[in-house]
Amino acid sequence: EAGVAQSPRYKIIEKRQSVAFWCNPISGHATLYWYQQILGQGPKLLIQFQNNGVVDDSQLPKDRFSAERLKGVDSTLKIQPAKLEDSAVYLCASRQQAYGYTFGSGTRLTVV
Amino acid sequence: DQQVKQNSPSLSVQEGRISILNCDYTNSMFDYFLWYKKYPAEGPTFLISISSIKDKNEDGRFTVFLNKSAKHLSLHIVPSQPGDSAVYFCAASAAGSARQLTFGSGTQLTVLP
Repeated sequence: EAGVAQSPRYKIIEKRQSVAFWCNPISGHATLYWYQQILGQGPKLLIQFQNNGVVDDSQLPKDRFSAERLKGVDSTLKIQPAKLEDSAVYLCASRQQAYGYTFGSGTRLTVV
Repeated sequence: DQQVKQNSPSLSVQEGRISILNCDYTNSMFDYFLWYKKYPAEGPTFLISISSIKDKNEDGRFTVFLNKSAKHLSLHIVPSQPGDSAVYFCAASAAGSARQLTFGSGTQLTVLP
């Protein structure tokens, strides 16, 4: 079974620029999550999708972050404009069964 | 408000000895707990889990203990191996929360050869 694919692996941008991350979940996994992991902290949920609908985006900074999951498969997470404090690893995870989370390798974003 | 806390940022253990990683939680609605292991430049990988109806779950060298009254869980690794060196995250979820995971801040385990 192929894992959760994420790209790019690394990204360096200047503050106020925009950036987008892509995630391809495991085939058949209806639930998809984006987490933000700041250095020294645990992953924090940004948004949860069920198929192509948003289940929870209460922790997504909507003034600068947006996410979509077209056709209930791939997902993109965008930041526009980026701030220095957005430097983090962005993790995508998908789930089929009740507890079976699988994480991707993440995208490490550095905002300078 | 940290609902899941791992108070030890790091732990060093000699190879062959027991590693004990601790985790405390405050939300009494949590009913499922998981441990994830993370190597640098990789995503977290699932290690072991426990439901709140149990107080112990074992999988090979890994055992998780849950003390609901103390809102405390621990991960025991016996014997510890150098390949176990990684960051370990405790996570919890609650029924009705769409099974979202709330993570602790992690503990860096170093197993010395």
